[in-house]
Amino acid sequence: GAVVSQHPSRVICKSGTSVKIECRSLDFQATTMFWYRQFPKKSLMLMATSNEGSKATYEQGVEKDKFLINHASLTLSTLTVTSAHPEDSSFYICSATYGGMNTEAFFGQGTRLTVV
Amino acid sequence: AQSVTQLDSQVPVFEEAPVELRCNYSSSVSVYLFWYVQYPNQGLQLLLKYLSGSTLVESINGFEAEFNKSQTSFHLRKPSVHISDTAEYFCAVSEGLTSYGKLTFGQGTILTVHP
Repeated sequence: GAVVSQHPSRVICKSGTSVKIECRSLDFQATTMFWYRQFPKKSLMLMATSNEGSKATYEQGVEKDKFLINHASLTLSTLTVTSAHPEDSSFYICSATYGGMNTEAFFGQGTRLTVV
Repeated sequence: AQSVTQLDSQVPVFEEAPVELRCNYSSSVSVYLFWYVQYPNQGLQLLLKYLSGSTLVESINGFEAEFNKSQTSFHLRKPSVHISDTAEYFCAVSEGLTSYGKLTFGQGTILTVHP
């Protein structure tokens, strides 16, 4: 099956700094990528939808200026958490599709962000 | 907008016993339905999906789920569980035809299989 790789798997950063998470499709061209956030003991919440070459579409309540999403190529999307605070600590997961009617989403392994 | 409800947050079961993880959804349009499994500190893996056709879908490791349109349910079942099935299971839906890949997840069910 298609492989999506997320990097890093774990990151610890200081409060006030920014951190970048990468999501790569390794063996297919991802026309669309999705970013999710998973709170402890809760489900995954969609943060934004990213199409290659265009601006991301954010879900209601997600701060665009805080969570910067870039989808510059068909194999790479990045999520940058700017001016991170402890409440941004979470598990972030990306998924990617290559489009089409019956296309499933392939998930990365996730990134555990801890802001101290 | 669609929503997904997983009725049980935790399901403990003994090895080789049958199990059912319940999932109900609501949507104003036709949907695609999925079950994902998440092992500790790992990402999501697709377990099975319903897109169209037969309402009973199966996975390679013995799980099955049945789409029931009248009851808006997509319950996951396995007749005999193994220790290795211990994980968190998420039911998810996407709106058919226009929003493939954009998923709404349930709250998750932690399945714990005891020896």
